[in-house]
Amino acid sequence: EVQLLESGGGLGQPGGSLRLSCAASGFTFSTYAMTWVRQAPGNGLEWVSSISGSSSSIYYADSVKGRFTISRDNSRNRVYLQMNSLRAEDTAVYYCALLGVGPDSWGQGTLVTVSS
Amino acid sequence: QSALTQPASVSGSPGQSITISCTGTSSDVGRYDYVSWYQQHPGKVPKLIIYDVTNRPSGVSSRFSGSKSGNTASLTISGLQAEDEADYYCNSYTSSGTWVFGGGTKVTVL
Repeated sequence: EVQLLESGGGLGQPGGSLRLSCAASGFTFSTYAMTWVRQAPGNGLEWVSSISGSSSSIYYADSVKGRFTISRDNSRNRVYLQMNSLRAEDTAVYYCALLGVGPDSWGQGTLVTVSS
Repeated sequence: QSALTQPASVSGSPGQSITISCTGTSSDVGRYDYVSWYQQHPGKVPKLIIYDVTNRPSGVSSRFSGSKSGNTASLTISGLQAEDEADYYCNSYTSSGTWVFGGGTKVTVL
C-alpha cells in the first residue's frame, strides 16, 4: 500500500523560508515522479511542482517559480519542497502526491501559514 | 498554465443523475487519458473517485463514472445521494510535463 506522509509545515514569516518533506513507502520510489499540490483556505487545488524519478526533469507552477525548489533523495524515499521568499498567498495545505500511476495517492497534507 | 474549466455549481435531487464537465485543450485533456476526478468534503483530504478517465479505485461506488470526448472530460453521478454533496475537482496531465486542475464544482443535493 502506497503511503505518503508530509511534514515541515508551520508558521513562516513573509520573506522567510520553510522546507517541507514527504516520506514515501509501499512502492519503488526511485521509479516514479512525485508532485506537490496545494490548497489555499477556501480555494481549489493547485499543482505546485513535479520531479521525475531520476530528478532529471523538474517543473514548477509560475506562481512559485524562482522561489520554490523541489528535490528528492531516492536513498531515503523522500521528496522535499524548499520554499523561500514566502508570501501570504503561499498559505495553504500542501499535499505530496503520486500522480498518473494507476490510482493516484495523496498524503494527508501539511499546513503552511505565512504571517508576521 | 490555465486551469481546466468546470461549472462552479451543479445541483440535483436525490436519485437523479448529474454530470460535471471539465474542459481543457488539445494539450491536456484532449491529448492524454490521465484525467482524474476528486471528491472533497469540507475540511477533508481530496478523495480519488476516477482515474485514467474511466477507472474507479477499489471501494468507490459504481454510481460514479467518467468519460471523455475531445477536450472535455465528464463525471457522472447517478442515483444522487445526500452524501454526494461535496466539491469535485478534475485533473489532467499536460504536454508540458505538468499537471493542471479544474477550478472545482460544488455539488448540492436539493
